[in-house]
Amino acid sequence: GAVVSQHPSRVICKSGTSVKIECRSLDFQATTMFWYRQFPKKSLMLMATSNEGSKATYEQGVEKDKFLINHASLTLSTLTVTSAHPEDSSFYICSARDRATGNQPQHFGDGTRLSIL
Amino acid sequence: RKEVEQDPGPFNVPEGATVAFNCTYSNSASQSFFWYRQDCRKEPKLLMSVYSSGNEDGRFTAQLNRASQYISLLIRDSKLSDSATYLCVVNGARAGGSYIPTFGRGTSLIVHP
Repeated sequence: GAVVSQHPSRVICKSGTSVKIECRSLDFQATTMFWYRQFPKKSLMLMATSNEGSKATYEQGVEKDKFLINHASLTLSTLTVTSAHPEDSSFYICSARDRATGNQPQHFGDGTRLSIL
Repeated sequence: RKEVEQDPGPFNVPEGATVAFNCTYSNSASQSFFWYRQDCRKEPKLLMSVYSSGNEDGRFTAQLNRASQYISLLIRDSKLSDSATYLCVVNGARAGGSYIPTFGRGTSLIVHP
C-alpha cells in the first residue's frame, strides 16, 4: 500500500532553533501533501496544503513566515518551523495524496513530536 | 457550525458489542469521505473509504447519506483492539477546484473485557 515516510520522528531543541521536517511518499507520486499539527487530546488541525511546484496554501491563522513549506518534487515536501518557541511544541503530521482530485484518501507519515525547551 | 462534527464520546462497550458512530458535514459539495483510526500518540491510519452505496469490510460497515449529509461507521463484534479514536474525514471543495480534507474531532471508543 501507499507509504509515507516522515523524518525525524522526535525533535528536542532549544528555543530559537529552526527545525526542518521531511515528508516523503515512497511508492507513489504525491501531487498534494498536507501538513497538520495536533495538540494532546485535540483534533488534527490542517496547517497548509502543499502542491508540487507551487506555493503552499496556508489555513487561516497559520503564519507562512513561521512555517515554511517547500514541495520541490513529487515525492518530498518539507516543513521548517523557524525560530521555534515552546508554544510551537506539538505533534506535526504530514499526509500525501497521489492525485490532485478529491477522490483519493490521504496517507499519513508517522508524525514528528517537536519539543522546544 | 463546524464543517465536520462528531460525538467525541467516549463510547465504552463490552467485547462483542455492536457500536455505531455518526458524523455530519456541512459542505454539500463534499466529494469523498473516509474513516480513519488513530491510536494514542500515533498517526491516523485509513480504515475505509465510504461509498454512496455503502460498503463493508469484515466487521466494519460504512454508510453515506448525502441528503442528510452524514456518514456512519458500524463496528460489529467489537474487539479489545478496536479501542481507538475514529476520525471522520470529508474532502470538501474549495474555491479554485481543489478538495481539502477536513477532520472531525474524533470519536473515542473503549472496548472492555
